[in-house]
Amino acid sequence: GAGVSQSPSNKVTEKGKDVELRCDPISGHTALYWYRQSLGQGLEFLIYFQGNSAPDKSGLPSDRFSAERTGGSVSTLTIQRTQQEDSAVYLCASSLTPGGPDYGYTFGSGTRLTVV
Amino acid sequence: SQKIEQNSEALNIQEGKTATLTCNYTNYSPAYLQWYRQDPGRGPVFLLLIRENEKEKRKERLKVTFDTTLKQSLFHITASQPADSATYLCALDPSGGYNKLIFGAGTRLAVHP
Repeated sequence: GAGVSQSPSNKVTEKGKDVELRCDPISGHTALYWYRQSLGQGLEFLIYFQGNSAPDKSGLPSDRFSAERTGGSVSTLTIQRTQQEDSAVYLCASSLTPGGPDYGYTFGSGTRLTVV
Repeated sequence: SQKIEQNSEALNIQEGKTATLTCNYTNYSPAYLQWYRQDPGRGPVFLLLIRENEKEKRKERLKVTFDTTLKQSLFHITASQPADSATYLCALDPSGGYNKLIFGAGTRLAVHP
């Protein structure tokens, strides 16, 4: 597609439920990133996929968080047993590598997750 | 600790003036630094990249400087317009390569007519 697409745009869930957030990156972008942004805060790195390499999961805050990327394209971020502190905007980005950093990341509009 | 600092206070300026935003970092040696713009309810949008061997980079009304000795980047918007009102984020790759970016918390700019 023309941009990075994320769904749903908004998600309200009850504490303890599992949620899945989807990201459809720009076609041809080999790198895909997940960040989360709490209200008034900066972007917190979660996980990074690059081609067929093992993902960099160093930012995942707990083992309740997991992500996968199928076929080098669509990615799903799963949060199990959601807690109120998981409430945030989850942003996905993709980039063209090995083209280098000159083009930056292209972000989606995010999924606003609210845990009640 | 390693971190990126941007002024958390909003910057309010008059239309037509130059806005200057600051990004400071500690304990990194990045090969480049990027600047993004974020509007409410949207994801960040890439604006400019400056490499460690570049002192200054310009794009239309935007200018970025990078001082690796001071560990600081300055982002300037000349002839500012109300449409420039947004939050501006700086970002760098702590590995020194091109892997994952870490972001500052951003500075909100408000340009008043």
